[in-house]
Amino acid sequence: GAGVSQSPSNKVTEKGKDVELRCDPISGHTALYWYRQRLGQGLEFLIYFQGNSAPDKSGLPSDRFSAERTGESVSTLTIQRTQQEDSAVYLCASSARDRHYNEQFFGPGTRLTVL
Amino acid sequence: GESVGLHLPTLSVQEGDNSIINCAYSNSASDYFIWYKQESGKGPQFIIDIRSNMDKRQGQRVTVLLNKTVKHLSLQIAATQPGDSAVYFCAEERSSYKLIFGSGTRLLVRP
Repeated sequence: GAGVSQSPSNKVTEKGKDVELRCDPISGHTALYWYRQRLGQGLEFLIYFQGNSAPDKSGLPSDRFSAERTGESVSTLTIQRTQQEDSAVYLCASSARDRHYNEQFFGPGTRLTVL
Repeated sequence: GESVGLHLPTLSVQEGDNSIINCAYSNSASDYFIWYKQESGKGPQFIIDIRSNMDKRQGQRVTVLLNKTVKHLSLQIAATQPGDSAVYFCAEERSSYKLIFGSGTRLLVRP
């Protein structure tokens, strides 16, 4: 079956512009996660959705970052007034959450470059 | 703050040799650990997991060892192949949904 997909794969934007990053999780997966990965570093948790609700937004770096999920499916991560430090790969993952333990399936990521 | 870290940022091994990638964690309450493999330009891929009530788990060519006494996790890859070249991350589950990732170890396989 299809895995997690993300679009666009690459995004180059100018400082101060807004960007939207899209994630299509695996069909039927109720949980969805966004992570940020800076060059040469590990994954930084941003936000978690269970269904369309986000019980944990604690990882969002600032109020310029927001995310929503609709139809218990697609999610959009929006970064307003982008800054150069926002340059990173943004990864989305989903999980079925029908198991006690949490196997997350990752998409290929969106590489964001802010000039 | 608490973190999951790695001893070596890069590991170079000869094709056919065994590889051992290490990870130290600091949260003694964590009870589930995962190893992920990330190839260039791709998202992390699940390799193997282990619960805290186990000290060893084996998969196909991979073995994960957990030492709770010293809060240490390792991934062993048998007969390393060129396709094993990637960055490997350990992750610990801090709650029923949140994974905390280490910074990763790059594995380079020499032909």
